[in-house]
Amino acid sequence: DTAVSQTPKYLVTQMGNDKSIKCEQNLGHDTMYWYKQDSKKFLKIMFSYNNKELIINETVPNRFSPKSPDKAHLNLHINSLELGDSAVYFCASSLRAAIGNTIYFGEGSWLTVV
Amino acid sequence: GIQVEQSPPDLILQEGANSTLRCNFSDSVNNLQWFHQNPWGQLINLFYIPSGTKQNGRLSATTVATERYSLLYISSSQTTDSGVYFCEADSWGKLQFGAGTQVVVTP
Repeated sequence: DTAVSQTPKYLVTQMGNDKSIKCEQNLGHDTMYWYKQDSKKFLKIMFSYNNKELIINETVPNRFSPKSPDKAHLNLHINSLELGDSAVYFCASSLRAAIGNTIYFGEGSWLTVV
Repeated sequence: GIQVEQSPPDLILQEGANSTLRCNFSDSVNNLQWFHQNPWGQLINLFYIPSGTKQNGRLSATTVATERYSLLYISSSQTTDSGVYFCEADSWGKLQFGAGTQVVVTP
C-alpha cells in the first residue's frame, strides 16, 4: 500500500562497486524524482522524469544513471561508487512536473560506501 | 545559480508558541516549495507557493516574489512539528534547496 517505495532501505558497499536503488510509485503519477541528502542534511535534486522522459538533470557525476522503464518506476544506478556518494537518496513522485502538485516521497535509501 | 538562505538555522520552541521561518532567494522564481523532514527522516511536501499566501491547519506560508523571500508560519506549535524545514526555489528549471531550519518543540 506504500505510495512511493524504494529498495533497498539500507545499503553498505565497498568503493568501486556498482549498485542500484529501485523506486516504484503506485499513485498513477507522471513525474518521478531522485533527491540526494548528504551527511550535513543538505538536499539536492538529482533527476526528474516526466512520463519516462528526462526533464531535470542537475550537475551530478555521470556515474549516476537514472533509468525509467515505465512511468511508475525510476531506478538509480551508480557506477564505481566513491566515499562521497554516501548519503540518503530519496525517490519521489508528483502528478505532473512543476505545476504545483504535491510531491510524495519514499522513505529514503541509506547508502554507505566504505 | 540561484542562492537560497534560510533563517534561523536552529529554533527551539515551547509547545504552544508561534514562530516564523524565513527563506530568501537571490533570483526570480517560478516556484517555491516548503518541505518538512521529521526526526525519523521522512520528507513531506508542505506548500507549493510561488506567490501569495496559503494556509493548511496550523501552518501557513507567504511568498513575496518581488522581494525574493518566503515565510513559513507555525502557530500553536506541537512536538510533532519538530524536524527540519526546507525551502526549495525553482528559477525556471534551476532548483536549489536552502540549508534548512532545525526546529525543536519542547513539551
